[in-house]
Amino acid sequence: SAVISQKPSRDICQRGTSLTIQCQVDSQVTMMFWYRQQPGQSLTLIATANQGSEATYESGFVIDKFPISRPNLTFSTLTVSNMSPEDSSIYLCSVTGTGGSYEQYFGPGTRLTVT
Amino acid sequence: QKEVEQDPGPLSVPEGAIVSLNCTYSNSAFQYFMWYRQYSRKGPELLMYTYSSGNKEDGRFTAQVDKSSKYISLFIRDSQPSDSATYLCASSGGYNKLIFGAGTRLAVHP
Repeated sequence: SAVISQKPSRDICQRGTSLTIQCQVDSQVTMMFWYRQQPGQSLTLIATANQGSEATYESGFVIDKFPISRPNLTFSTLTVSNMSPEDSSIYLCSVTGTGGSYEQYFGPGTRLTVT
Repeated sequence: QKEVEQDPGPLSVPEGAIVSLNCTYSNSAFQYFMWYRQYSRKGPELLMYTYSSGNKEDGRFTAQVDKSSKYISLFIRDSQPSDSATYLCASSGGYNKLIFGAGTRLAVHP
């Protein structure tokens, strides 16, 4: 499976500011995703990061709040904009396996605390 | 009703016990089923991936899917303290969107 890294691993931010999270994969992948894991809860898909086009957002998530870039097949960024304490979560990127399979592999996550 | 239901536990067992973790799902279109293990402050690690009904075994782990009852299970044999983690089930109907259960916290004590 691909090796996935995320930066930063954690951050503490003030409300009203923005943070950009990077996801780097060691091989080219077709599909990349961004998830949120709120404290004590499970994972919720934010959006699918599409290479060369706009991301596809899930219900409840909007581009103005969570802009996503996918400039190539190994890299993506997620920005959390105009943060509030409710945005305190772990943000995870994932990629699908090879050969069109549907399993997903996750990065280590970015732990965000908004004060 | 959530699309994937999972008892959050916590579940505490002695070392060497057989652990049974379970989820139910409501969407008949789901055909892909996964189990992840998540240690504290780490990303989820894929343990098992199955398609449609049946069993799949990998070492001490067995995943079971019963599509007729919409029930998925993960069995851990000879459980070890290192198995202490949160176990997440996930399902998909394709299109790459995974729906996760709430996760079950497992503690294996020596």
